[in-house]
Amino acid sequence: DGGITQSPKYLFRKEGQNVTLSCEQNLNHDAMYWYRQDPGQGLRLIYYSQIVNDFQKGDIAEGYSVSREKKESFPLTVTSAQKNPTAFYLCASSGRDPGPYEQYFGPGTRLTVT
Amino acid sequence: AQTVTQSQPEMSVQEAETVTLSCTYDTSESDYYLFWYKQPPSRQMILVIRQEAYKQQNATENRFSVNFQKAAKSFSLKISDSQLGDAAMYFCAYRINTGNQFYFGTGTSLTVIP
Repeated sequence: DGGITQSPKYLFRKEGQNVTLSCEQNLNHDAMYWYRQDPGQGLRLIYYSQIVNDFQKGDIAEGYSVSREKKESFPLTVTSAQKNPTAFYLCASSGRDPGPYEQYFGPGTRLTVT
Repeated sequence: AQTVTQSQPEMSVQEAETVTLSCTYDTSESDYYLFWYKQPPSRQMILVIRQEAYKQQNATENRFSVNFQKAAKSFSLKISDSQLGDAAMYFCAYRINTGNQFYFGTGTSLTVIP
């Protein structure tokens, strides 16, 4: 089945450590995205990538970094520079198939930093 | 600026009744796509319905339908015969045709009362 996987579902880290969240898709989508969701809030865009080896900052990119070396993969690193990293992180992809233009989402990763 | 406004943070509906969630957006573009996403307690984002802005006919998907008013930049979601499984956070979103970025509202939390 085609879809998006994010791992792990829950992640715990100590303050000051970098952590990388995984996102993989087998939908053959060109575009991929990372969002952050805090309690009671909507989705805020961290980074997005329209093609391999290219990505753009979203609204809240500070303290985060990404790479897009393969079409299928778009990992997000939460660095120690991110002041408040505890949140729910959603990865998404978008393309012409199976449905045109909408985003498909992974199940999310809940990151807790103490 | 591209913005999406969902003015109802919380709504409730009696089971089997009908409820309408409102959404307005602001864009200077004429060609775009509108979406409603559902986020149940599992936090998996699920596409509910999609509307192409160039289409005058309102989209419908089973019990879900939209009222798209392009001139007013309004895109409301109507849920008929509400079911307990409809309880979720609902997000309105749009994407312009020439770009890959999506713009989300802050969401409406829907409670279904048995």
